[in-house]
Amino acid sequence: AQSVTQPDIHITVSEGASLELRCNYSYGATPYLFWYVQSPGQGLQLLLKYFSGDTLVQGIKGFEAEVKRSQSSFNLRKPSVHWSDAAEYFCAVALYNFNKFYFGSGTKLNVKP
Amino acid sequence: DGGITQSPKYLFRKEGQNVTLSCEQNLNHDAMYWYRQDPGQGLRLIYYSQIVNDFQKGDIAEGYSVSREKKESFPLTVTSAQKNPTAFYLCASSPGQGRLAGMNTGELFFGEGSRLTVL
Repeated sequence: AQSVTQPDIHITVSEGASLELRCNYSYGATPYLFWYVQSPGQGLQLLLKYFSGDTLVQGIKGFEAEVKRSQSSFNLRKPSVHWSDAAEYFCAVALYNFNKFYFGSGTKLNVKP
Repeated sequence: DGGITQSPKYLFRKEGQNVTLSCEQNLNHDAMYWYRQDPGQGLRLIYYSQIVNDFQKGDIAEGYSVSREKKESFPLTVTSAQKNPTAFYLCASSPGQGRLAGMNTGELFFGEGSRLTVL
């Protein structure tokens, strides 16, 4: 079955520490890939997206993600976390016709001072 | 500024009542979507529309209805048939299939959501 998996429900990191949020997808080929961030009670904001080409993608707010086709993963990274990064992060995929976008269950990030 | 407006932000409903959530966009996007968000379940697709006067069921359409009479508007009605309607509802839009040139499109743009509580 097609799916997007975010195995970590909650993650806590110290401010200034590095961050990696995991995302795995299971589709026949590499779909279009996205990471979104959601602050409490708000809509989702796009952090970055992958359509094709370079497998290392840069996004806003210092985030980056890398596509690893052999592992069907699209992990989100940030070298130094800021307290304002505390939010919920969603990985998403879109199939080639863009009719549907599928979302993972989300990872809540808590940042310790 | 261009964007997506959802209203109301908070809504309370008695059991057995229908309620309609509004979603308006001025981004000139062809495609619009409704998602439901419950804690720990991510976003689940209710309905989507790729073009005016056409829409498709998503993964959890039962108990919901939509219309797409104008490009800018995609209202969602939560009917009394929806057994567990208390949730956070998100509307989104995207340029759609016809606007993918340049690989700088295709992403979803979200409204700020509507929280529905059934009393």
